[in-house]
Amino acid sequence: QITLKESGPTLMTPTQTLTLTCTFSGFSLSTTGVGVGWIRQPPGKALEWFAHIYWNDEKQYSPSLKSRLTITKDTSKNQVVVTMTNIDPADTGTYYCAYRRQASWFDPWGQGTLVTVSS
Amino acid sequence: EIVLTQSPATLSLSPGERATLSCRASQSVSSYVGWYQQKPGQAPRLLIYDVSNRATGIPARFSGSGSGTDFTLTISNLEPEDFAVYYCHHRSNWPLTFGGGTKVEIK
Repeated sequence: QITLKESGPTLMTPTQTLTLTCTFSGFSLSTTGVGVGWIRQPPGKALEWFAHIYWNDEKQYSPSLKSRLTITKDTSKNQVVVTMTNIDPADTGTYYCAYRRQASWFDPWGQGTLVTVSS
Repeated sequence: EIVLTQSPATLSLSPGERATLSCRASQSVSSYVGWYQQKPGQAPRLLIYDVSNRATGIPARFSGSGSGTDFTLTISNLEPEDFAVYYCHHRSNWPLTFGGGTKVEIK
């Protein structure tokens, strides 16, 4: 059974750097084809994919956020970490990580973690 | 970037009725479209992948169709647990994108 869980700060101040961790079980990020993605959702709004990492360390970023993002993996800890610099109130929302193999779909998802950015 | 436009934004229906949700892509996404269901306070759940394949455990009342740029999610005979928000999503190329969502609410 694959499970994922996001963790990170719940409240942040503008201009800070957000660090989110996805801790997973039921698969290994050293297995060919395996990947983990990050998707966020502002309150009451739609889903937005923004970062992805594969077993071979291939990384993909949303063009609109690319300059602010870094995604890494720690295979030994079964974790994926994403950092977002220069955080803004517009970055407030629920952040999800999800399992996604190559040429496949986000399934399953973590429960999500709410991040609020406010001065 | 491929933009996915969902319509309508809200669909008001009664249990037992049929729901038809639309998703239009700004350019062809071939058959690389999926649908997710999201209930309040929950993470999205994969319903349909590659246009018309039901994910594990998804009831047969959920079906998908379409090709190229126009796709449809149909929920026949709405059950009380089907009232939720539905998102289409493509994996045709990077960046991955989602539609704006359709809320299916109880009339």
